Amino acid sequence: EDQVTQSPEALRLQEGESSSLNCSYTVSGLRGLFWYRQDPGKGPEFLFTLYSAGEEKEKERLKATLTKKESFLHITAPKPEDSATYLCAVQAQGNTPLVFGKGTRLSVIA
Amino acid sequence: GAVVSQHPSWVICKSGTSVKIECRSLDFQATTMFWYRQFPKQSLMLMATSNEGSKATYEQGVEKDKFLINHASLTLSTLTVTSAHPEDSSFYICSAPDQGLDTQYFGPGTRLTVL
Repeated sequence: EDQVTQSPEALRLQEGESSSLNCSYTVSGLRGLFWYRQDPGKGPEFLFTLYSAGEEKEKERLKATLTKKESFLHITAPKPEDSATYLCAVQAQGNTPLVFGKGTRLSVIA
Repeated sequence: GAVVSQHPSWVICKSGTSVKIECRSLDFQATTMFWYRQFPKQSLMLMATSNEGSKATYEQGVEKDKFLINHASLTLSTLTVTSAHPEDSSFYICSAPDQGLDTQYFGPGTRLTVL
């Protein structure tokens, strides 16, 4: 059974304090690993898709990396507007539903 | 990026009534769409896979007669919650894979409150 575990469950950072979120996964043949951002009361907003170990992608203050067992979302010098829940999901085959982790609730304090 | 819309964004209804939620892919076609449910402070749980031109596939524990799914066209899927009860109150979110961009996009969600 495909499974995604995210840690920590919640993270509180001071503005400018860099950190990383972890996503550990088990999947029967990874087609893609996805990162989404979700604000309260809204649908998930797509951030990144990673396909193979060693791949990295960046967007503004966010950088996602992937190994064969886990992915990290690095947040550099975060700002209060980065506060959200960050969701990690895996997809085993094309056009199939994503399997989500429980998310990490990030709070960035000014 | 691709856009997926949902309507309505929120709905309040009385127990026993039925509620229809629409999910549209606005600038791409989706032969498959997915319906998720999310309870407060929990992650997204897949309810069903909506397939254009064929029956939906439901996850274990999801009542197909209660949650009716119709994939009417390549850009529209609807979820109807029949005879809604307070325990059906939740945040319902749809997603659609954009094969051209090789990712899945989510709608903004529909907050259902059953009184």
